[in-house]
Amino acid sequence: DQQVKQNSPSLSVQEGRISILNCDYTNSMFDYFLWYKKYPAEGPTFLISISSIKDKNEDGRFTVFLNKSAKHLSLHIVPSQPGDSAVYFCAASSGNTPLVFGKGTRLSVIA
Amino acid sequence: ETGVTQTPRHLVMGMTNKKSLKCEQHLGHNAMYWYKQSAKKPLELMFVYSLEERVENNSVPSRFSPECPNSSHLFLHLHTLQPEDSALYLCASSPSTLTYSGNTIYFGEGSWLTVV
Repeated sequence: DQQVKQNSPSLSVQEGRISILNCDYTNSMFDYFLWYKKYPAEGPTFLISISSIKDKNEDGRFTVFLNKSAKHLSLHIVPSQPGDSAVYFCAASSGNTPLVFGKGTRLSVIA
Repeated sequence: ETGVTQTPRHLVMGMTNKKSLKCEQHLGHNAMYWYKQSAKKPLELMFVYSLEERVENNSVPSRFSPECPNSSHLFLHLHTLQPEDSALYLCASSPSTLTYSGNTIYFGEGSWLTVV
């Protein structure tokens, strides 16, 4: 049973618009959430994280929102750029469990 | 450059071969990991080492054998693999495994393994 779900395998967005990537989780013990970005033939690169004591964390064009009651988090990229085209993985952990990853969402930013 | 280096980047091996994947981290971290990424599947945790001691083994077949000689190096020894073991194998490290919360994992670029 998947504890971290990314239900959209792919997403296409026009350059300059907002990209919204979604992630749902089932384990209420998760208290730390991360987003990773992965280009083809490379390992995942850490992008941004959020602790469960917050509901928003922002870093430049990237913002992660956490809705604990809905067990949902999202990554907003604005404005989207062609270089943002990659696979984005959502991950979650708690004090005694290693990171659990979703299957990823492939983002294509069209110029 | 993430501070985690994996070699080789690509490996083709027969089912009767013995080969090893190597990982080195230059981040001063105390925990190292092996993950497997297969097509259309989430990243699967294989092994976790903390200060050279194995702390997690997620029911990985014995044909995969990890070795952690020190906190900077991690190996994955491969023996009599099957074609379905073909995948991207990712090494990672993090500051600690004392608590996973707040603990960011940094990945290497991966080793593409093809078993023929």
